[in-house]
Amino acid sequence: KNQVEQSPQSLIILEGKNCTLQCNYTVSPFSNLRWYKQDTGRGPVSLTIMTFSENTKSNGRYTATLDADTKQSSLHITASQLSDSASYICVVSGRAGNMLTFGGGTRLMVKP
Amino acid sequence: ETGVTQTPRHLVMGMTNKKSLKCEQHLGHNAMYWYKQSAKKPLELMFVYSLEERVENNSVPSRFSPECPNSSHLFLHLHTLQPEDSALYLCASSQDRRANTGELFFGEGSRLTVL
Repeated sequence: KNQVEQSPQSLIILEGKNCTLQCNYTVSPFSNLRWYKQDTGRGPVSLTIMTFSENTKSNGRYTATLDADTKQSSLHITASQLSDSASYICVVSGRAGNMLTFGGGTRLMVKP
Repeated sequence: ETGVTQTPRHLVMGMTNKKSLKCEQHLGHNAMYWYKQSAKKPLELMFVYSLEERVENNSVPSRFSPECPNSSHLFLHLHTLQPEDSALYLCASSQDRRANTGELFFGEGSRLTVL
């Protein structure tokens, strides 16, 4: 069964600190992995997409990594800001058909 | 205008009511989706439409009835819902239904409360 597990479920950090969110998946065969950011009361917005051949990709202060061998991805946030407070959702796509598997998300709170 | 617009943003209804959620996309996409997001649970796919034809229905109860009159509009008709149906309902669109290559663009969601 395809699964996506995210950790931690929730995280509180101080403004200016760094943090790393984890995503482990069992989806096979693998096509790509996306990280979405969902602000409270809003819809998810794509941050980055990782394909099989990519190890690292940055989008401003967000850096995603992918290890396709161990089926793990991480999202690193540098110099956190209050606006980073949101849920971060990992979504994995398999090559078979159109199925997307969603993780349960990590709820990040950045405090001043 | 944002790419995907959902109305209403908030809805409170009794179990015997009939209401509808509306979604409109201005991106020229060919596929539209309804997702349900409950607290502390991953997003659940409810319906997929590609070029106005329903292609997936993930065993959703018949009290939820989708309608896609054209490639830009999607409705979710609600009838005799249960309190456990209270959730955030998200509409999304993508260029085509090959979700493994395309990005999903989500609306802001409709927060539904069933009393």
